[in-house]
Amino acid sequence: KNQVEQSPQSLIILEGKNCTLQCNYTVSPFSNLRWYKQDTGRGPVSLTIMTFSENTKSNGRYTATLDADTKQSSLHITASQLSDSASYICVVSHNFNKFYFGSGTKLNVKP
Amino acid sequence: EPEVTQTPSHQVTQMGQEVILRCVPISNHLYFYWYRQILGQKVEFLVSFYNNEISEKSEIFDDQFSVERPDGSNFTLKIRSTKLEDSAMYFCASSLAGGNSYNEQFFGPGTRLTVL
Repeated sequence: KNQVEQSPQSLIILEGKNCTLQCNYTVSPFSNLRWYKQDTGRGPVSLTIMTFSENTKSNGRYTATLDADTKQSSLHITASQLSDSASYICVVSHNFNKFYFGSGTKLNVKP
Repeated sequence: EPEVTQTPSHQVTQMGQEVILRCVPISNHLYFYWYRQILGQKVEFLVSFYNNEISEKSEIFDDQFSVERPDGSNFTLKIRSTKLEDSAMYFCASSLAGGNSYNEQFFGPGTRLTVL
């Protein structure tokens, strides 16, 4: 069964601290893996997109990693800011134009 | 900056009624998508559309659902006979290229559908 699992479900960190969010998937065949940021009541916004041949991709303070062998990905956020408070969603593309979403990690950055 | 727009922002309908949700994708994009998110749950893929036809659809996208690009700018999702469980936020997205590339998808702000 094609699934995307994320952990933790929620996370509270202090402003300025780093954090790492995890994503495991069983989607096959795999096309690419995306991380999105979703503010409450808004549409998701793309952070990174990686294909199976990529191990790391950065977008500012966001760094995603991918291990296609173990089917795991992580999103590392450096020097967190209050505006990073949101849900972070891992999405795996199947057959290029079909997408499986994780349930997201709800991040709360406190001052 | 170009953006995806959706109308209406909130739609309330009676069970069994037909609804049409409208989206205007970014003008030079070629791939279009509909997703839904039931309150408190994860986003779910419904359908992808390219070259005037469905390229992929999920198990959720049954005969009650249809999509159309009636003109050069709009992309619509029709639900023929709404059920209570269709209540959700519906997101439209568009991308320049398909899923086999670094095609960033741009999401609209969503239409909240409430079925009474």
